[in-house]
Amino acid sequence: GAVVSQHPSWVICKSGTSVKIECRSLDFQATTMFWYRQFPKQSLMLMATSNEGSKATYEQGVEKDKFLINHASLTLSTLTVTSAHPEDSSFYICSARSNRQAGNTDTQYFGPGTRLTVL
Amino acid sequence: QKEVEQDPGPLSVPEGAIVSLNCTYSNSAFQYFMWYRQYSRKGPELLMYTYSSGNKEDGRFTAQVDKSSKYISLFIRDSQPSDSATYLCAMTQAAGNKLTFGGGTRVLVKP
Repeated sequence: GAVVSQHPSWVICKSGTSVKIECRSLDFQATTMFWYRQFPKQSLMLMATSNEGSKATYEQGVEKDKFLINHASLTLSTLTVTSAHPEDSSFYICSARSNRQAGNTDTQYFGPGTRLTVL
Repeated sequence: QKEVEQDPGPLSVPEGAIVSLNCTYSNSAFQYFMWYRQYSRKGPELLMYTYSSGNKEDGRFTAQVDKSSKYISLFIRDSQPSDSATYLCAMTQAAGNKLTFGGGTRVLVKP
């Protein structure tokens, strides 16, 4: 249980184009999803918190007009990297919040990640 | 100073040995503590989830939390080569809130 998928798993695009990444919770409903970015040999950096039906909350230093987040349903959030540049090349990982732990405590389950390469 | 400190390693152990990992943190408001395992080019996988101080055991994994010392640990018994991965500690102030991660410790279990 608590499976999160991401699509695509990897993508290569030209500089200036936009790329959309999907994050789905497959067997549970997620009112909150999180988007992270991870550079090689570094830890995860939170980019934004996505709540179903409302605007995403971005972390300091993350451009909301460049990284568009939409959380249209309880099982799907999308991240669109607009006008991508080579410095946007990274590993993007989403997580979905689940309250399925015993005692109704919440935790996050992560997707497998999407590797973006911008040429 | 980072909120959560974790030795990056690599930590190399022989197969069958106990792997000992730890994190220290500075924010006393953290209440929930997690350990994730991440294989190369994959998303993190939740291993252990604990609340408050004490021990929690799940199979070969034992998580310890010492809130008075702001110190958490993960022990892996009877380590296997398949345990070779990066282990990330994470913590949060309230359930469901955003996580603060350590930098991760790379573990190598040699056959």
